[in-house]
Amino acid sequence: KAGVTQTPRYLIKTRGQQVTLSCSPISGHRSVSWYQQTPGQGLQFLFEYFSETQRNKGNFPGRFSGRQFSNSRSEMNVSTLELGDSALYLCASRTQGANTGELFFGEGSRLTVL
Amino acid sequence: AQSVTQPDIHITVSEGASLELRCNYSYGATPYLFWYVQSPGQGLQLLLKYFSGDTLVQGIKGFEAEFKRSQSSFNLRKPSVHWSDAAEYFCAVGLRGGGGNKLTFGTGTQLKVEL
Repeated sequence: KAGVTQTPRYLIKTRGQQVTLSCSPISGHRSVSWYQQTPGQGLQFLFEYFSETQRNKGNFPGRFSGRQFSNSRSEMNVSTLELGDSALYLCASRTQGANTGELFFGEGSRLTVL
Repeated sequence: AQSVTQPDIHITVSEGASLELRCNYSYGATPYLFWYVQSPGQGLQLLLKYFSGDTLVQGIKGFEAEFKRSQSSFNLRKPSVHWSDAAEYFCAVGLRGGGGNKLTFGTGTQLKVEL
């Protein structure tokens, strides 16, 4: 069974640009969440989607947005990039109905903002 | 708000020695508890989890953790460390009943293994 797949793995952007990251969950998983990992702030929850609906949102500005498609794939978008957005963005999925927080993580998309 | 504390930022142990990584949480009730491991350039892999029942839980790679309600702790242990265990370890808590995927992570403990 394939794991959580994130694309691209690495990308470099400049301030002011926007970026879209993609996540394909494990087959059969309908819940997808996103986390930001930085050396200074650690791992922080961004948002969670289930059946194309956002169910939870972390404490991030509106520049951070996401969506989920009918096939459970998810994308997150960051607009007007700032230097502080440089981070590893991790996507995680879990099975439907498993409200236990057991998440399966992808390898992440490493964003560098110059 | 809930919080997770991993007091040790770095730990160095010799291969074959025992290991204990500390984790304390602050929460209104007993949350779900997890330990994840992250190797360089990789995502997070679940080592073990505690939901309820037996307070000593076994995980993968020979790890175990003990939930102590009175101390609000969930320390990770391994009796004999292998060089391949060198990685960063994260303790995390999750809400019961509706918290979904929103985990709160500790700041992590970087484990170095000396040969």
